[in-house]
Amino acid sequence: NAGVTQTPKFQVLKTGQSMTLQCAQDMNHEYMSWYRQDPGMGLRLIHYSVGAGITDQGEVPNGYNVSRSTTEDFPLRLLSAAPSQTSVYFCASSQSSGGTYNEQFFGPGTRLTVL
Amino acid sequence: AQSVAQPEDQVNVAEGNPLTVKCTYSVSGNPYLFWYVQYPNRGLQFLLKYITGDNLVKGSYGFEAEFNKSQTSFHLKKPSALVSDSALYFCAVSEGNTGFQKLVFGTGTRLLVSP
Repeated sequence: NAGVTQTPKFQVLKTGQSMTLQCAQDMNHEYMSWYRQDPGMGLRLIHYSVGAGITDQGEVPNGYNVSRSTTEDFPLRLLSAAPSQTSVYFCASSQSSGGTYNEQFFGPGTRLTVL
Repeated sequence: AQSVAQPEDQVNVAEGNPLTVKCTYSVSGNPYLFWYVQYPNRGLQFLLKYITGDNLVKGSYGFEAEFNKSQTSFHLKKPSALVSDSALYFCAVSEGNTGFQKLVFGTGTRLLVSP
C-alpha cells in the first residue's frame, strides 16, 4: 500500500511554461485535494474533488486546473507558470464516509521553482 | 470565515521536559480541530483530532491536546519530549459541514527538542 504518491519531487520551470503535477492514491479514497505550502503561510487549498468527475475550487485556484477521471488520480495543471507559483505542492486524500471527521493522508510533496 | 493562529514560530524544549504548542481558532459554528506534523522533506502526518466529547484528546506518539471552548484553544501537549519530536507542527480547523472537509491551517510552529 503506497498511500499517496506524487511526481515529480522537484521541478524547475521558466515563466510561461506549462506542466502537470501528478498525484495518485491506492486507498480508494473518494476525496482528494491539492494544497500549496509557502513560508509563513501554512497550507492553502487550491482545488479539491469529492469523486471521479467532480472538482471544485479552493482558496487559491487561479492559474491552476484539475480534472478527476478516475478515483485514483488527481493531476494538477499549471497553464502558464509564474514566479508566484514557486511553492511546495501537496496532494492529499481522505475517505468520504463519516462526514468531515476523517484524517487526510498527504503525499511527500513536489517542490516547484518558477524562474 | 474560519481561522487558526499559532502564535509561536518556534518552541524550544529540552529532552525529557513537557512541551506545549499553542493553537487558537475562530469559527462560526462547531469546530473540528486537527493537529498534523511535518518532518523534513515529508508530507504532513495526522496526529490527533477533536470532533466532540472529551476535551482531552489523545493521539499518536504520546501527544495529546486539550480543547477549551471558552478560550477557543486547542493546545498540543506531550509530558516528556523526545529529540525525535523535532518537526513542524500545524493546527487546522474545519467547520464540520457535510461533505469535503475544507481545512484551514495555521502557519505552523517549529518544535526543537535539544538533547
